[in-house]
Amino acid sequence: DAGVTQSPTHLIKTRGQQVTLRCSPKSGHDTVSWYQQALGQGPQFIFQYYEEEERQRGNFPDRFSGHQFPNYSSELNVNALLLGDSALYLCASSLRSRVKTQYFGPGTRLLVL
Amino acid sequence: AQTVTQSQPEMSVQEAETVTLSCTYDTSESDYYLFWYKQPPSRQMILVIRQEAYKQQNATENRFSVNFQKAAKSFSLKISDSQLGDAAMYFCAYIKNAGNMLTFGGGTRLMVKP
Repeated sequence: DAGVTQSPTHLIKTRGQQVTLRCSPKSGHDTVSWYQQALGQGPQFIFQYYEEEERQRGNFPDRFSGHQFPNYSSELNVNALLLGDSALYLCASSLRSRVKTQYFGPGTRLLVL
Repeated sequence: AQTVTQSQPEMSVQEAETVTLSCTYDTSESDYYLFWYKQPPSRQMILVIRQEAYKQQNATENRFSVNFQKAAKSFSLKISDSQLGDAAMYFCAYIKNAGNMLTFGGGTRLMVKP
């Protein structure tokens, strides 16, 4: 039973560039949530996708956008990267009928120089 | 807005001993869920235990158990017979039944001494 997978594992970008992170949910899950975890802090909710639509959004600017595909996989896009966007980006998947339990992937470490 | 507070930035325990990690939360909701997640240096967030607010019985998963005090808005994690592999960051998290967003505390770093 495959768990949540994310790619790439690490990424280095420069200010102003754009980045796309990818997530495949756990087998049987239909909902994907994205979190940003700054060094030494707890994760912060970015947004959640279900049925290819953004269902809820946290306190993040429009530079952060996402997409969910018919196979439930998801992408997180960040435009006009800032130094402060350097963080671990975590994807979590869940089953809508049991949405309260979220299972996390290994994360993508993004460094913006 | 909901908040989750972990007042212990670091904790240390001797192997085979018992340790308790503290968590308090603030919410006006009556129906919600609480979680403890473990994040080892490999950085993958692993679900340790889950508690539904409507259940009075404290959740237990093998060596891990919680003390859920709804009126006090307290949710502590007890790890019995601590093992070296328990060393990690532990995060307490909250989600309301009508919501989609997990709110995390700042984490507690647990060190296990051999």
